[in-house]
Amino acid sequence: KQEVTQIPAALSVPEGENLVLNCSFTDSAIYNLQWFRQDPGKGLTSLLLIQSSQREQTSGRLNASLDKSSGRSTLYIAASQPGDSATYLCAVPSSGTYKYIFGTGTRLKVLA
Amino acid sequence: GAGVSQSPSNKVTEKGKDVELRCDPISGHTALYWYRQSLGQGLEFLIYFQGNSAPDKSGLPSDRFSAERTGGSVSTLTIQRTQQEDSAVYLCASSFPSGGADTQYFGPGTRLTVL
Repeated sequence: KQEVTQIPAALSVPEGENLVLNCSFTDSAIYNLQWFRQDPGKGLTSLLLIQSSQREQTSGRLNASLDKSSGRSTLYIAASQPGDSATYLCAVPSSGTYKYIFGTGTRLKVLA
Repeated sequence: GAGVSQSPSNKVTEKGKDVELRCDPISGHTALYWYRQSLGQGLEFLIYFQGNSAPDKSGLPSDRFSAERTGGSVSTLTIQRTQQEDSAVYLCASSFPSGGADTQYFGPGTRLTVL
């Protein structure tokens, strides 16, 4: 059974810091991993998708890496800004199904 | 272009009543997902559609929950005889799966409150 854990649960940093969010999963038989952000009271916005054949993906100040063998992904945010404040969620498919399992998220607050 | 839309945005109902939640996916997206997000909890998968068929209904919590999709487009999630524990935000997402790339685009959600 696929389980997804995100650490830390919450993080508060001053503006300008580089930071790393962690996601771990128990079943490495995944075909992709997705990172999302969720603003309060809103739906999710896709940030990055890493296919199983890839090691990392980059979009602007965001970089996500994937290590399937160790069951880990990291989301690196460079030069954080107050607008980055949100909850960040990772999700992986449960093996052999179309069901995506989400972590409980990291709530990020970037202080001006 | 238009994103995923959901209606209503908020629904308050009395225990025991039936409710219907609607999702309009992005045009051309063949895959559609329903999730539930309860207060303080993570996203919980409910059902997956590929076209009009639902090959994975494993997340539906009980037989009070059902969903359909017509024309490969609009989907409706129906909850019969609502209970207070059904109160949550119901989120819909659509995607166009292509060789392991299955980026999901989410709607804003429907907040359901059962009194």
